[in-house]
Amino acid sequence: DADVTQTPRNRITKTGKRIMLECSQTKGHDRMYWYRQDPGLGLRLIYYSFDVKDINKGEISDGYSVSRQAQAKFSLSLESAIPNQTALYFCATSDLDRATYTDTQYFGPGTRLTVL
Amino acid sequence: AQSVTQLDSHVSVSEGTPVLLRCNYSSSYSPSLFWYVQHPNKGLQLLLKYTSAATLVKGINGFEAEFKKSETSFHLTKPSAHMSDAAEYFCVVSLTGANNLFFGTGTRLTVIP
Repeated sequence: DADVTQTPRNRITKTGKRIMLECSQTKGHDRMYWYRQDPGLGLRLIYYSFDVKDINKGEISDGYSVSRQAQAKFSLSLESAIPNQTALYFCATSDLDRATYTDTQYFGPGTRLTVL
Repeated sequence: AQSVTQLDSHVSVSEGTPVLLRCNYSSSYSPSLFWYVQHPNKGLQLLLKYTSAATLVKGINGFEAEFKKSETSFHLTKPSAHMSDAAEYFCVVSLTGANNLFFGTGTRLTVIP
């Protein structure tokens, strides 16, 4: 979805390096998410944020941190990258539809991260 | 607790034949159900969603899915496969009103010319 952008799209780094992945959205949504995708495992939630002052851990937050700089920006950091953090990382946004009480998420194009 | 099982990791069909991608879910409460598609080197695109309204849900590109509570299923179908349908498909469940999505492991659809 072009309304959700991620930078960089590809990154190769070395073990121990600090890495930041950035996500921006123009959908005006309050809620933002970071997932990682590994082959055969689907997507797993790392962190999520319901607004600028709200940050929550997801299923697999160890080794990661996040920053919600503004409603439109949500960054994911790997403080000291390790090889098993090699994965495809997706940012997503959502807003609660109060008519159906459904939270539908819209995904960015992904960042492919390789840690050597 | 919520979970999703996609019954086939890989489905192969001929162009012009029907597509069936199977999904069973487990949810303690009223679920919201989604199908997303991921084309190679692309992000996830929402195909359709079920939100406790009509049990037969129509999505984009001719896909549809039927919510069957008695069978805890939400299978994705399309009457006639097109080459452009070749992709990975994810069935996803969440509690209605909740933010947490639970993803299946995906089904890779191959379309044979």
